Amino acid sequence: GAVVSQHPSRVICKSGTSVKIECRSLDFQATTMFWYRQFPKQSLMLMATSNEGSKATYEQGVEKDKFLINHASLTLSTLTVTSAHPEDSSFYICSAPSRDRGRDTQYFGPGTRLTVL
Amino acid sequence: QQPVQSPQAVILREGEDAVINCSSSKALYSVHWYRQKHGEAPVFLMILLKGGEQKGHEKISASFNEKKQQSSLYLTASQLSYSGTYFCGTEDRGSTLGRLYFGRGTQLTVWP
Repeated sequence: GAVVSQHPSRVICKSGTSVKIECRSLDFQATTMFWYRQFPKQSLMLMATSNEGSKATYEQGVEKDKFLINHASLTLSTLTVTSAHPEDSSFYICSAPSRDRGRDTQYFGPGTRLTVL
Repeated sequence: QQPVQSPQAVILREGEDAVINCSSSKALYSVHWYRQKHGEAPVFLMILLKGGEQKGHEKISASFNEKKQQSSLYLTASQLSYSGTYFCGTEDRGSTLGRLYFGRGTQLTVWP
């Protein structure tokens, strides 16, 4: 089956630094990928839609200058949290839709746990 | 846009059944169901695309009432491995394919 990877799986950084998270579709091409954020014991909140070759589409309330998204190829999307602060600490998960054996499926990456000190 | 899930939590004995409901105020293209274990990413269970569609995976099945914009997940003869948080994700009609809004989740605990 299709696999989506994320790197790094865990990152701890100081307040004010920027952190880049990569999301890769390993055996399929994804013109669209999605970025979610999940705080402890809460639901997944859609942050933005990453579009290959064009600008990302951000959900209402998500700062596009703070969460920079780049979808440079059909298999890679990156999320950069700029000038991270403790309130940005969260579990960041990407996903990519795929048609696997004729069925529409959504594959999630394993997630990246960000802790900002 | 966020669908409403109920109940918030379910506690079962192994072998018992459970139903988790998901409803949306928007016209839906599809409903997805996921299970998430603590500290892990969600795992895809199934997607329902057509009104009246029902799907099953082992002893976990789901239905989708397109007219009512509702879906239900049925877990029969629950096993210990079914424990986790279940999320429904809805895809609005006319939206970008794969763009999901998730419910708050239902925490399922199965005891031996």
